[in-house]
Amino acid sequence: ETGVTQSPTHLIKTRGQQVTLRCSSQSGHNTVSWYQQALGQGPQFIFQYYREEENGRGNFPPRFSGLQFPNYSSELNVNALELDDSALYLCASTRGGRDYGYTFGSGTRLTVV
Amino acid sequence: AQRVTQPEKLLSVFKGAPVELKCNYSYSGSPELFWYVQYSRQRLQLLLRHISRESIKGFTADLNKGETSFHLKKPFAQEEDSAMYYCALSGPAAGNKLTFGGGTRVLVKP
Repeated sequence: ETGVTQSPTHLIKTRGQQVTLRCSSQSGHNTVSWYQQALGQGPQFIFQYYREEENGRGNFPPRFSGLQFPNYSSELNVNALELDDSALYLCASTRGGRDYGYTFGSGTRLTVV
Repeated sequence: AQRVTQPEKLLSVFKGAPVELKCNYSYSGSPELFWYVQYSRQRLQLLLRHISRESIKGFTADLNKGETSFHLKKPFAQEEDSAMYYCALSGPAAGNKLTFGGGTRVLVKP
């Protein structure tokens, strides 16, 4: 059983650019969530996908968007990058249902300069 | 709106001493409560959840609905318990997403 894998592990982008982060969910998991973790803070929910549809969104602007594919892998896209977007981006997957056993990836460290 | 508060940023204890990490929450209804742990250079992982009422690595946590708390406790801390601990909640009123607290860093000294 493979866990959640994210790519790339590190990324440096310039303000105003666009970035795509990728996540492969754990085998058997159909729900993927993305979180932003700024330095010294807890993870903040960005959005969640279930069967290729967004089914929850946190307090993030529309320039944060995502996709989920038929194999339940997912992408997080951020347009018009700002310096404050510098953070660790975490992907988590679950089978869903009442027992919310989320499995987290190691994250992508994004630095915007 | 749901919210999780962990009042202590850092807890420093000696090996063998008890440790208690505080977690308070606000939520409309009955939440699912969790503790996640992140050891150095490792990914965030689930430590325990209140619905399973289990003890993991000697840690326990009791949901107190009256005080809206879910404090994490261990009677005898070990050096390998040094890590970052996050309290989190979920539930239908939270859109079934995880809402995390700010985290508490635990340092267990020899």
